[in-house]
Amino acid sequence: DADVTQTPRNRITKTGKRIMLECSQTKGHDRMYWYRQDPGLGLQLIYYSFDVKDINKGEISDGYSVSRQAQAKFSLSLESAIPNQTALYFCATAGGRATDTQYFGPGTRLTVL
Amino acid sequence: GQSLEQPSEVTAVEGAIVQINCTYQTSGFYGLSWYQQHDGGAPTFLSYNALDGLEETGRFSSFLSRSDSYGYLLLQELQMKDSASYFCAVRPMDSSYKLIFGSGTRLLVRP
Repeated sequence: DADVTQTPRNRITKTGKRIMLECSQTKGHDRMYWYRQDPGLGLQLIYYSFDVKDINKGEISDGYSVSRQAQAKFSLSLESAIPNQTALYFCATAGGRATDTQYFGPGTRLTVL
Repeated sequence: GQSLEQPSEVTAVEGAIVQINCTYQTSGFYGLSWYQQHDGGAPTFLSYNALDGLEETGRFSSFLSRSDSYGYLLLQELQMKDSASYFCAVRPMDSSYKLIFGSGTRLLVRP
């Protein structure tokens, strides 16, 4: 089984709809991240969390919200989806003070019509 | 602020050696990482340089020179499966476990 899972893997929705993307991990990591990737571009950080009580905004948090329901679960919500939020979304985890290494989930391809 | 620059595309022949450069502007960082991403796939960790010099992991090596604000990923004995995008990333010292990623280099390996 994969260490970092994301659901759904693909989603098509309409402008104005509320969407939730879910991420679960079995690595026991305390740090979790949500990124957005647009075609041909790098990864932009949306939100990150260092534990259940710690949520931080990234570079592009506007239009998004998150919830850290448990150490293993980190959800990303789009309260009112708009077409320019069409992108590939990745969840990532990291653990331990001595490492920067992040482990990514398989991604969710979101299309907003 | 911090920024990392990479060439957008590199093409090489199977069996050859290719170097992907990463230049950066940042006030200070803990280390330089490299990630590989195949089309439609997730980024996966390749290599990490905490100190200046060369780190070797099989066919892949990574180099860092803090004095030159420069690093590179070296891929040897290229295989078709190495066709992918490669991203450099740093964790700035003021960032508290956040990574800043470059925009990525798309490597095309030709027969």
